[in-house]
Amino acid sequence: RKEVEQDPGPFNVPEGATVAFNCTYSNSASQSFFWYRQDCRKEPKLLMSVYSSGNEDGRFTAQLNRASQYISLLIRDSKLSDSATYLCVVEGLSGGYNKLIFGAGTRLAVHP
Amino acid sequence: DTEVTQTPKHLVMGMTNKKSLKCEQHMGHRAMYWYKQKAKKPPELMFVYSYEKLSINESVPSRFSPECPNSSLLNLHLHALQPEDSALYLCASSDVGDYGYTFGSGTRLTVV
Repeated sequence: RKEVEQDPGPFNVPEGATVAFNCTYSNSASQSFFWYRQDCRKEPKLLMSVYSSGNEDGRFTAQLNRASQYISLLIRDSKLSDSATYLCVVEGLSGGYNKLIFGAGTRLAVHP
Repeated sequence: DTEVTQTPKHLVMGMTNKKSLKCEQHMGHRAMYWYKQKAKKPPELMFVYSYEKLSINESVPSRFSPECPNSSLLNLHLHALQPEDSALYLCASSDVGDYGYTFGSGTRLTVV
């Protein structure tokens, strides 16, 4: 089982749609969780941290369910500029030390 | 503009060449990282420096040699690379123990 699993997509949605991405992680001891966004041929950029209480930043809402080891990202009122790959990232113990573990990413394409 | 600067942005090198990738940040971060990213794959951790000391080497071949001359600079020296080493090489930095990394825009390396 992969340490961080995501649906690879692509998700093709029209402008204005609401889209949700899911992610599961295997290490129950993980403490920090993030969503990064990566545009084609660019670097990953931190979109938001994810907390158990849930957090919202404008059109983006992230949720964490520790019991189910599940993370989600909801994007409301999708814009063309939201088209990118969304990486679920978990801090976890791997190989004897803590490090960021990246999911393979979910690709989003927003069309007019 | 990213606050982590990587040079060069593109590099083509032969298998017998020696070259270096450079990374610079002025955010006062004391942890710096090298990642390798192949097309359509997530970033893979190569090295971690914490307080200018190498703390993690993810079993990277010796043809990749990292160096951290001071708290703002991180280099990756390349020698006798193989075509399969062609990838996007990303530098990142963070406060020690903080997993919200800032990535540079990367060096796109092609080995011929």
